[in-house]
Amino acid sequence: GAGVSQSPRYKVAKRGQDVALRCDPISGHVSLFWYQQALGQGPEFLTYFQNEAQLDKSGLPSDRFFAERPEGSVSTLKIQRTQQEDSAVYLCASSLATRVDEQFFGPGTRLTVL
Amino acid sequence: AQSVAQPEDQVNVAEGNPLTVKCTYSVSGNPYLFWYVQYPNRGLQFLLKYITGDNLVKGSYGFEAEFNKSQTSFHLKKPSALVSDSALYFCAVRALYSGAGSYQLTFGKGTKLSVIP
Repeated sequence: GAGVSQSPRYKVAKRGQDVALRCDPISGHVSLFWYQQALGQGPEFLTYFQNEAQLDKSGLPSDRFFAERPEGSVSTLKIQRTQQEDSAVYLCASSLATRVDEQFFGPGTRLTVL
Repeated sequence: AQSVAQPEDQVNVAEGNPLTVKCTYSVSGNPYLFWYVQYPNRGLQFLLKYITGDNLVKGSYGFEAEFNKSQTSFHLKKPSALVSDSALYFCAVRALYSGAGSYQLTFGKGTKLSVIP
Protein backbone atom coordinates (compact mmCIF):
# COMPACT_ATOMS: atom_id res chain seq x y z
CA GLY A 1 0.00 0.00 0.00
CA ALA A 2 1.20 3.46 -0.83
CA GLY A 3 -0.79 5.37 1.76
CA VAL A 4 -0.20 6.43 5.34
CA SER A 5 -0.95 3.62 7.74
CA GLN A 6 -1.69 3.82 11.44
CA SER A 7 -1.94 1.18 14.10
CA PRO A 8 -3.86 0.19 16.01
CA ARG A 9 -7.03 1.43 14.38
CA TYR A 10 -8.88 1.22 17.70
CA LYS A 11 -7.54 1.37 21.21
CA VAL A 12 -9.40 1.14 24.47
CA ALA A 13 -7.45 2.09 27.57
CA LYS A 14 -8.29 2.33 31.22
CA ARG A 15 -7.68 5.72 32.78
CA GLY A 16 -4.10 5.93 33.93
CA GLN A 17 -2.69 3.52 31.37
CA ASP A 18 0.00 4.46 28.89
CA VAL A 19 -0.66 4.06 25.16
CA ALA A 20 1.51 4.15 22.05
CA LEU A 21 0.14 4.95 18.62
CA ARG A 22 2.13 4.19 15.49
CA CYS A 23 2.29 5.97 12.15
CA ASP A 24 3.93 4.69 8.96
CA PRO A 25 4.18 7.61 6.51
CA ILE A 26 4.41 7.38 2.78
CA SER A 27 7.91 6.40 1.76
CA GLY A 28 10.02 9.45 0.96
CA HIS A 29 7.82 11.90 2.81
CA VAL A 30 10.02 14.13 4.90
CA SER A 31 7.28 15.92 6.79
CA LEU A 32 5.08 14.19 9.36
CA PHE A 33 2.24 15.64 11.41
CA TRP A 34 0.10 14.42 14.28
CA TYR A 35 -3.40 15.78 14.85
CA GLN A 36 -6.11 15.15 17.44
CA GLN A 37 -9.71 15.11 16.25
CA ALA A 38 -12.50 15.20 18.81
CA LEU A 39 -15.99 14.09 17.84
CA GLY A 40 -17.67 16.64 15.60
CA GLN A 41 -14.56 18.82 15.35
CA GLY A 42 -11.83 19.41 12.84
CA PRO A 43 -8.32 18.07 13.33
CA GLU A 44 -6.20 20.00 15.81
CA PHE A 45 -2.45 20.20 15.31
CA LEU A 46 -0.29 18.41 17.84
CA THR A 47 3.24 18.24 16.46
CA TYR A 48 5.37 18.36 13.32
CA PHE A 49 8.53 16.53 12.27
CA GLN A 50 10.92 17.17 9.46
CA ASN A 51 12.84 13.92 9.09
CA GLU A 52 13.79 12.98 12.68
CA ALA A 53 13.69 16.54 13.98
CA GLN A 54 10.63 17.61 15.91
CA LEU A 55 10.35 21.22 14.77
CA ASP A 56 7.07 22.13 16.38
CA LYS A 57 5.41 20.56 19.40
CA SER A 58 3.37 23.55 20.42
CA GLY A 59 0.07 21.69 20.00
CA LEU A 60 0.78 18.92 22.50
CA PRO A 61 -1.83 19.48 25.24
CA SER A 62 0.30 18.41 28.19
CA ASP A 63 3.59 16.84 29.15
CA ARG A 64 1.80 13.48 29.15
CA PHE A 65 1.97 13.59 25.36
CA PHE A 66 5.23 12.68 23.67
CA ALA A 67 6.07 12.02 20.02
CA GLU A 68 9.17 10.66 18.36
CA ARG A 69 10.47 9.79 14.92
CA PRO A 70 13.96 8.47 15.64
CA GLU A 71 14.95 7.37 12.14
CA GLY A 72 12.98 9.91 10.17
CA SER A 73 10.35 7.43 9.03
CA VAL A 74 7.97 5.68 11.45
CA SER A 75 6.61 7.87 14.22
CA THR A 76 5.08 7.03 17.58
CA LEU A 77 2.76 9.19 19.64
CA LYS A 78 2.80 8.19 23.28
CA ILE A 79 0.28 9.27 25.86
CA GLN A 80 1.12 8.61 29.49
CA ARG A 81 -1.41 8.25 32.30
CA THR A 82 -4.35 8.57 29.93
CA GLN A 83 -7.35 10.64 30.96
CA GLN A 84 -10.92 10.54 29.67
CA GLU A 85 -10.43 13.84 27.87
CA ASP A 86 -7.76 12.15 25.75
CA SER A 87 -10.47 10.15 23.99
CA ALA A 88 -10.35 11.20 20.34
CA VAL A 89 -9.19 10.11 16.91
CA TYR A 90 -5.47 10.63 16.44
CA LEU A 91 -4.52 11.36 12.85
CA CYS A 92 -1.13 11.13 11.26
CA ALA A 93 -0.27 12.89 8.00
CA SER A 94 2.82 13.03 5.83
CA SER A 95 3.95 15.19 2.94
CA LEU A 96 6.84 15.98 0.67
CA ALA A 97 9.24 18.67 1.76
CA THR A 98 8.36 20.72 -1.31
CA ARG A 99 4.61 20.39 -0.77
CA VAL A 100 4.29 20.46 2.97
CA ASP A 101 0.69 21.59 2.98
CA GLU A 102 -0.55 18.87 0.64
CA GLN A 103 -0.78 16.37 3.43
CA PHE A 104 -1.74 12.73 3.05
CA PHE A 105 -3.69 11.52 6.04
CA GLY A 106 -3.89 8.09 7.54
CA PRO A 107 -7.17 6.49 8.68
CA GLY A 108 -6.54 7.45 12.28
CA THR A 109 -6.49 5.65 15.61
CA ARG A 110 -9.65 5.95 17.67
CA LEU A 111 -8.65 6.09 21.34
CA THR A 112 -11.27 5.54 24.00
CA VAL A 113 -10.27 6.04 27.61
CA LEU A 114 -12.62 4.48 30.14
CA ALA B 1 -3.82 33.19 16.53
CA GLN B 2 -5.43 31.82 13.41
CA SER B 3 -8.95 30.43 13.10
CA VAL B 4 -11.44 29.07 10.58
CA ALA B 5 -15.21 29.22 10.66
CA GLN B 6 -17.48 26.95 8.66
CA PRO B 7 -20.91 28.35 9.48
CA GLU B 8 -22.93 25.42 8.12
CA ASP B 9 -22.78 22.02 9.79
CA GLN B 10 -24.63 20.49 6.84
CA VAL B 11 -25.38 21.46 3.26
CA ASN B 12 -27.95 19.63 1.16
CA VAL B 13 -28.05 20.03 -2.60
CA ALA B 14 -29.79 18.23 -5.44
CA GLU B 15 -27.67 16.33 -7.92
CA GLY B 16 -26.81 18.51 -10.90
CA ASN B 17 -27.26 21.77 -8.99
CA PRO B 18 -24.36 24.05 -8.10
CA LEU B 19 -22.97 23.73 -4.60
CA THR B 20 -21.23 26.12 -2.23
CA VAL B 21 -19.58 25.28 1.07
CA LYS B 22 -18.70 28.37 3.06
CA CYS B 23 -15.49 29.20 4.91
CA THR B 24 -14.19 32.33 6.58
CA TYR B 25 -10.81 32.71 8.23
CA SER B 26 -8.78 34.88 10.54
CA VAL B 27 -4.98 35.02 10.37
CA SER B 28 -2.18 37.54 10.86
CA GLY B 29 -0.74 38.52 7.53
CA ASN B 30 -1.29 36.76 4.25
CA PRO B 31 -2.99 33.39 4.40
CA TYR B 32 -2.44 30.03 2.87
CA LEU B 33 -5.91 28.45 2.47
CA PHE B 34 -6.89 24.84 1.87
CA TRP B 35 -9.81 22.52 1.41
CA TYR B 36 -9.67 18.90 2.45
CA VAL B 37 -12.36 16.25 1.97
CA GLN B 38 -13.13 13.17 4.04
CA TYR B 39 -15.13 10.42 2.42
CA PRO B 40 -16.81 7.82 4.65
CA ASN B 41 -14.31 5.39 6.15
CA ARG B 42 -11.39 7.10 4.45
CA GLY B 43 -8.69 9.53 5.54
CA LEU B 44 -8.72 13.22 4.76
CA GLN B 45 -7.67 14.08 1.23
CA PHE B 46 -6.19 17.31 -0.06
CA LEU B 47 -8.56 19.02 -2.51
CA LEU B 48 -7.08 22.42 -3.36
CA LYS B 49 -5.08 25.35 -2.04
CA TYR B 50 -4.66 29.09 -2.42
CA ILE B 51 -1.26 30.66 -1.89
CA THR B 52 -1.11 33.68 -4.14
CA GLY B 53 -2.18 34.84 -7.56
CA ASP B 54 -5.54 34.23 -9.15
CA ASN B 55 -8.36 34.42 -6.63
CA LEU B 56 -10.15 31.48 -8.25
CA VAL B 57 -8.39 28.21 -7.54
CA LYS B 58 -9.21 24.97 -9.32
CA GLY B 59 -8.73 21.62 -7.66
CA SER B 60 -9.54 17.95 -7.89
CA TYR B 61 -12.87 16.44 -8.97
CA GLY B 62 -14.11 19.66 -10.58
CA PHE B 63 -14.06 21.68 -7.37
CA GLU B 64 -12.94 25.27 -7.20
CA ALA B 65 -12.64 27.88 -4.48
CA GLU B 66 -12.73 31.65 -4.52
CA PHE B 67 -10.45 33.70 -2.29
CA ASN B 68 -11.95 37.00 -1.19
CA LYS B 69 -9.53 39.05 0.88
CA SER B 70 -11.95 41.80 1.83
CA GLN B 71 -14.47 39.30 3.17
CA THR B 72 -11.77 36.93 4.51
CA SER B 73 -13.57 34.08 2.81
CA PHE B 74 -12.59 31.01 0.83
CA HIS B 75 -15.81 29.33 -0.29
CA LEU B 76 -15.71 25.96 -2.02
CA LYS B 77 -17.81 25.63 -5.17
CA LYS B 78 -18.75 23.17 -7.87
CA PRO B 79 -20.98 23.97 -10.86
CA SER B 80 -22.81 20.63 -10.88
CA ALA B 81 -22.95 18.37 -7.83
CA LEU B 82 -22.64 14.59 -8.00
CA VAL B 83 -23.97 12.08 -5.49
CA SER B 84 -20.38 10.90 -5.08
CA ASP B 85 -19.44 14.36 -3.76
CA SER B 86 -21.27 13.56 -0.53
CA ALA B 87 -18.62 13.79 2.17
CA LEU B 88 -17.26 15.90 5.01
CA TYR B 89 -15.40 19.02 3.87
CA PHE B 90 -12.82 20.86 5.95
CA CYS B 91 -11.40 24.31 5.33
CA ALA B 92 -7.94 25.06 6.75
CA VAL B 93 -5.61 28.04 7.06
CA ARG B 94 -2.07 28.85 7.99
CA ALA B 95 -0.17 32.11 8.05
CA LEU B 96 2.45 32.87 5.46
CA TYR B 97 5.50 33.38 7.65
CA SER B 98 8.72 31.51 8.20
CA GLY B 99 9.70 29.69 11.33
CA ALA B 100 9.33 26.32 12.94
CA GLY B 101 5.62 26.73 13.52
CA SER B 102 4.76 27.92 10.09
CA TYR B 103 3.35 24.60 8.89
CA GLN B 104 0.69 24.42 11.56
CA LEU B 105 -2.67 24.11 9.83
CA THR B 106 -5.82 25.24 11.62
CA PHE B 107 -8.95 23.40 10.49
CA GLY B 108 -12.60 24.32 10.68
CA LYS B 109 -15.18 22.02 12.23
CA GLY B 110 -16.20 20.62 8.89
CA THR B 111 -19.35 20.77 6.76
CA LYS B 112 -21.24 17.65 5.80
CA LEU B 113 -22.31 17.81 2.18
CA SER B 114 -25.20 15.62 1.10
CA VAL B 115 -26.03 15.45 -2.59
CA ILE B 116 -29.53 14.15 -3.13
CA PRO B 117 -30.24 12.08 -6.24
